[in-house]
Amino acid sequence: AQKVTQAQTEISVVEKEDVTLDCVYETRDTTYYLFWYKQPPSGELVFLIRRNSFDEQNEISGRYSWNFQKSTSSFNFTITASQVVDSAVYFCALSDPNTGGFKTIFGAGTRLFVKA
Amino acid sequence: EPEVTQTPSHQVTQMGQEVILRCVPISNHLYFYWYRQILGQKVEFLVSFYNNEISEKSEIFDDQFSVERPDGSNFTLKIRSTKLEDSAMYFCASWVPTTDTQYFGPGTRLTVL
Repeated sequence: AQKVTQAQTEISVVEKEDVTLDCVYETRDTTYYLFWYKQPPSGELVFLIRRNSFDEQNEISGRYSWNFQKSTSSFNFTITASQVVDSAVYFCALSDPNTGGFKTIFGAGTRLFVKA
Repeated sequence: EPEVTQTPSHQVTQMGQEVILRCVPISNHLYFYWYRQILGQKVEFLVSFYNNEISEKSEIFDDQFSVERPDGSNFTLKIRSTKLEDSAMYFCASWVPTTDTQYFGPGTRLTVL
């Protein structure tokens, strides 16, 4: 069975600190997708990234970076030089790609507080 | 910038009633999704829809749920006979393969009394 674990329930940092959100997944599939989503205090969902299991290259997008390591079944998310606007709940998710790649199971989320 | 819209923002209904949640995806998007989030809990995938067919659905998406794209612009989620446990925020999303990006609507809060 598939499972996503976000062991960090809450993280609190001071602005400009770097912060890494951990995501560990379990799956028996050899092909799958991994996702990160952001849910700011306003409540909407924001898609951040989708990564295919065949692509283990790290991804960088501005202050955001993702480290995918199949060997440890982890897909960690790092925010560099955090800002108050990064305060949100962040969800990691895992999908079975067989029929389209979005049938996802989500982790419980990590709530990030960034203090000014 | 184009956006996904959802109506209503809040729907209150009595248990056993039918509800229809409406979404207008971004024009020209072809892949659509519904998710739900019970208050304070994790997000749950419900269904994905492409080419007027369901392409994936979760175990939550049972016979009480249906989706439809009735007119080429709206994408609806119908719950036939609501239960108390259907109370949640429902999010609609669309996806663009060329940029591999999902776009979410603001959500509809459904309260079943």
